[in-house]
Amino acid sequence: QSVLTQPPSVSGAPGQRVTISCTGSSSNIGADYDVNWYQQLPGTAPKVLIHNNSNRPSGVPDRFSGSKSGTSASLAITGLQAEDEADYYCQSYDSSLSGVVFGGGTKLTVL
Amino acid sequence: QEQLVQSGAEVKKPGASVKVSCKASGYIFTNYYMHWVRQAPGQGLEWMGIIDPSGGGTSYARKFKGRVTMTSDTSTSTVYMELRSLKSEDTALYYCARGPGRGRVDYWGQGTLVTVSS
Repeated sequence: QSVLTQPPSVSGAPGQRVTISCTGSSSNIGADYDVNWYQQLPGTAPKVLIHNNSNRPSGVPDRFSGSKSGTSASLAITGLQAEDEADYYCQSYDSSLSGVVFGGGTKLTVL
Repeated sequence: QEQLVQSGAEVKKPGASVKVSCKASGYIFTNYYMHWVRQAPGQGLEWMGIIDPSGGGTSYARKFKGRVTMTSDTSTSTVYMELRSLKSEDTALYYCARGPGRGRVDYWGQGTLVTVSS
């Protein structure tokens, strides 16, 4: 299983707000390593959504926001749109493993 | 603009090796790390390792140590990932991804499908 834990799936109706959690431990998120979030649309490569916990690259709508507290992080999506239907992955660094770690991914379904 | 272009799909037999290339353009090649991440069919993302193209230093995930080698060629702005002793479980999309730091990536290649089958 993945070092970072995410719910396998979340869903919401258009216009609603959803959050995706990412739970780590004292050797990764809890050790103050940054959390990054990626969106993977069907059949495409992942794309950076949030970097360094809460920063949005240019071009990413402000409907997407990230936060981090303790050993967990979360991604919030407001004003849900059909085009947001995708897989979302959190990622951090783990000092015990001396490498990058990913969450197992969360499939977002827009109802 | 920044671009990572990977080599084409490969089909290999169990026990063979595969070498995937990733050609970078649109930025200073030696100013960024390069990560390799793979994704088995229907599965999540799995980090394989990182290379610093400027000096060639590498760090591999424990799972792949002894079986993977990452190299870089600064003359062509290309990094390579070789995976040996292939098994059917190595069937996956292999991505290179640029790293502004050791702990994150920003731009991703298009992915290279490696199929391991007898």
